Amino acid sequence: GQQLNQSPQSMFIQEGEDVSMNCTSSSIFNTWLWYKQDPGEGPVLLIALYKAGELTSNGRLTAQFGITRKDSFLNISASIPSDVGIYFCAGHRSQGNLIFGKGTKLSVKP
Amino acid sequence: DGGITQSPKYLFRKEGQNVTLSCEQNLNHDAMYWYRQDPGQGLRLIYYSQIVNDFQKGDIAEGYSVSREKKESFPLTVTSAQKNPTAFYLCASSRQGPGWPQHFGDGTRLSIL
Repeated sequence: GQQLNQSPQSMFIQEGEDVSMNCTSSSIFNTWLWYKQDPGEGPVLLIALYKAGELTSNGRLTAQFGITRKDSFLNISASIPSDVGIYFCAGHRSQGNLIFGKGTKLSVKP
Repeated sequence: DGGITQSPKYLFRKEGQNVTLSCEQNLNHDAMYWYRQDPGQGLRLIYYSQIVNDFQKGDIAEGYSVSREKKESFPLTVTSAQKNPTAFYLCASSRQGPGWPQHFGDGTRLSIL
């Protein structure tokens, strides 16, 4: 099945830094979702986006539905240690099932 | 608390054995899903059900079977025909169909003995 292109694959954060990641596709989507998964647990829904250009925040997290409807972005401001984990984007088109990216793994800088 | 409960947390399968993973939700959601997650991979859809007594194959249904006899329950059986069953299995539900946000359980890790 089709998958979304999520980048970066991994990144290291230092406490206090801002973090950005994105998800792109060659197809148009009607819904974008962002999830966070901690080791050994299920993904937890962070933000849902339903309209092109929409900008939605959830605490220090901000996500945007790209104007072209082919991409979405997630920003984390002033990162803290508990932000580490894997972040997944997921998109839904007019029909069919939810499509997931492969995830962005956030780790703490050694 | 409303949520999705998966059990067991860890499961071991012997060669030639069928095993069943449980998924129960009390969110009153119509739709339920099973995903498989392998290291470094996104989630791949195994089966989904939008209504009781009806379900559809996802992208990787071979070697798996499901039932949906009750709205709250969507068990997944990993059959002996699934030759590479070692993975993390995630169950999810959504209020209605796939366009609605899906909420996940905490997963079952299946390994081969």
